[in-house]
Amino acid sequence: GESVGLHLPTLSVQEGDNSIINCAYSNSASDYFIWYKQESGKGPQFIIDIRSNMDKRQGQRVTVLLNKTVKHLSLQIAATQPGDSAVYFCAEPSISGGYNKLIFGAGTRLAVHP
Amino acid sequence: GAGVSQSPSNKVTEKGKDVELRCDPISGHTALYWYRQRLGQGLEFLIYFQGNSAPDKSGLPSDRFSAERTGESVSTLTIQRTQQEDSAVYLCASSLRVSGIYNEQFFGPGTRLTVL
Repeated sequence: GESVGLHLPTLSVQEGDNSIINCAYSNSASDYFIWYKQESGKGPQFIIDIRSNMDKRQGQRVTVLLNKTVKHLSLQIAATQPGDSAVYFCAEPSISGGYNKLIFGAGTRLAVHP
Repeated sequence: GAGVSQSPSNKVTEKGKDVELRCDPISGHTALYWYRQRLGQGLEFLIYFQGNSAPDKSGLPSDRFSAERTGESVSTLTIQRTQQEDSAVYLCASSLRVSGIYNEQFFGPGTRLTVL
């Protein structure tokens, strides 16, 4: 079946450092991935996405890398700021569900220390 | 424009009682989704509505869970005879709908349900 999971439950970094959050997926047919940020008391917010025909995609201070060989993706946050403190989820739309439902990983909590 | 809104923001109920959770999607969004998020976990899909089509109920965990949607507007998620394991944050999302591709889902703030 399809599943998306994460390697690390928590990540603590110093303000200004770069953060790397990892995610593994199981379905080799998966063709689209999304990273979400969820702040306390709020719903998930879209950060960046990547299609399987790409290895890398960059946004503002964020980069997503996709390694299809080992079914792994990562989210890199440059110059991490206190406002980046949140739980980060990787997710993919379920192919068998007609792209109508998202499958989420368990999440990684990012704690940014001054 | 307003985002997805949900009410109540918090709900505390006693085991065995029924609860209703409400979601107001973004105006013009034809697709609506409900997810459940247990403490410290990712979101689990519950149900999906698209226009007048039959909803995809494949994620509902038991027959105590049901949801309705009136046209392309408000949706209510009902949990009957609540159990302690139903305690979670219930999140609603809405999106436009273009078939065959992923349509970005916009999430509401959720309703935190606590069953005592």
